[in-house]
Amino acid sequence: QTVVTQEPSFSVSPGGTVTLTCGLSSGSVSTNYYPSWYQQTPGQAPRTLIYNTKIRSSGVPDRFSGSILGNKAALTITGAQTDDESDYYCVLSMGSNWVFGGGTKLTVL
Amino acid sequence: QVQLVESGGGVVQPGSSLRVSCAASGFTFSSYGMHWVRQAPGKGLEWVALIWSNGSKKYYGDSVKGRFTISRDNSKNMLNLQMNNLRAEDTAVYYCARWAEDNNWFDPWGQGTLVTVSS
Repeated sequence: QTVVTQEPSFSVSPGGTVTLTCGLSSGSVSTNYYPSWYQQTPGQAPRTLIYNTKIRSSGVPDRFSGSILGNKAALTITGAQTDDESDYYCVLSMGSNWVFGGGTKLTVL
Repeated sequence: QVQLVESGGGVVQPGSSLRVSCAASGFTFSSYGMHWVRQAPGKGLEWVALIWSNGSKKYYGDSVKGRFTISRDNSKNMLNLQMNNLRAEDTAVYYCARWAEDNNWFDPWGQGTLVTVSS
């Protein structure tokens, strides 16, 4: 069974830079998995940030960027703001099924 | 604007059935595949099912295979999820999301409907 791994939690200071990662329990993440990233605040539906590894969704600030770093997909927030404090989920396409990571709870303080 | 609105959630007993729906507007519904994704209380997102734009192919997550059926009515811009033999672990908010096949992503998402399975 494929497991997508994310850091359970992360903390960053306002104005700082943080990189969240999305890996596989077995193997490397590549662009072939079409990694995408979603932001979710409590009680709200997920919001798309990044898709197809590095394409920013419409209206998403350019402080959010996506990439492949080593064997993982990565979401980098440059110049974090307090309203970036949210849960962040990645999802990988396995062809005929999709697997979400467990999510990263980001604290900005 | 593109909008997805789920409905049909509620409280049901274990072993029972329930159908949740997703009304789509603001785009050509028949041109897009559609996903269901769920989120148990306090937990992360879990992919549930996908249906192709014309309904010809359907895929399911392992935890719901054989119990849940995804369907759509393109004439009514409606997506459905028929859930049978419900279990306590199916308790979750159920979101529908449009599948942008070209870049393989989920966007937008509906606001979700809560399904609670409890005796």
